[in-house]
Amino acid sequence: NAGVTQTPKFQVLKTGQSMTLQCAQDMNHEYMSWYRQDPGMGLRLIHYSVGAGITDQGEVPNGYNVSRSTTEDFPLRLLSAAPSQTSVYFCASSLAGGASPLHFGNGTRLTVT
Amino acid sequence: EDQVTQSPEALRLQEGESSSLNCSYTVSGLRGLFWYRQDPGKGPEFLFTLYSAGEEKEKERLKATLTKKESFLHITAPKPEDSATYLCAVQDNNAGNMLTFGGGTRLMVKP
Repeated sequence: NAGVTQTPKFQVLKTGQSMTLQCAQDMNHEYMSWYRQDPGMGLRLIHYSVGAGITDQGEVPNGYNVSRSTTEDFPLRLLSAAPSQTSVYFCASSLAGGASPLHFGNGTRLTVT
Repeated sequence: EDQVTQSPEALRLQEGESSSLNCSYTVSGLRGLFWYRQDPGKGPEFLFTLYSAGEEKEKERLKATLTKKESFLHITAPKPEDSATYLCAVQDNNAGNMLTFGGGTRLMVKP
């Protein structure tokens, strides 16, 4: 059972470039989300989805887009990368409703120069 | 607004030296409080969910407790392999599946 799979593991971008961080889960979870983790800031929610075709903004959504065309996949798009987006990005999923624990991928470390 | 504060930020222990990590929280209505363990270069790994004050959960050398304002993660006779960052998060009754995380406590256990 693969759980939550994120690709790539590492990425370096130049300012202004765009890219997509991939996230896939094989647990049939309705809820999927993207967090960024920065030193001293903890994990902060970027975007989330409660099912295919439904997405919403979290705490820090600016500069990022998401879509959810299938239950399994939840890609995160950086439209025009900025140095402030240098971070470690985690995708997480869970069953919807109730106090269901999030299951995390192993992250993508992104550096924007 | 939900808030989670963890202390200390870092904790160094000798192997076998028991201690506790603190998670203070403010939430309008608590649906659940979660503890995670995070190893370097990895995603957080789920440990416990606590739902109401007075509840306790145990796993090997770890025991989590919950009051109306804070949670403690007690580590009994820790081993070097317990070294990791421990994260606390809360889920609000009005926030769907969203979690609010604390900044974490980095635990280092020396042999």
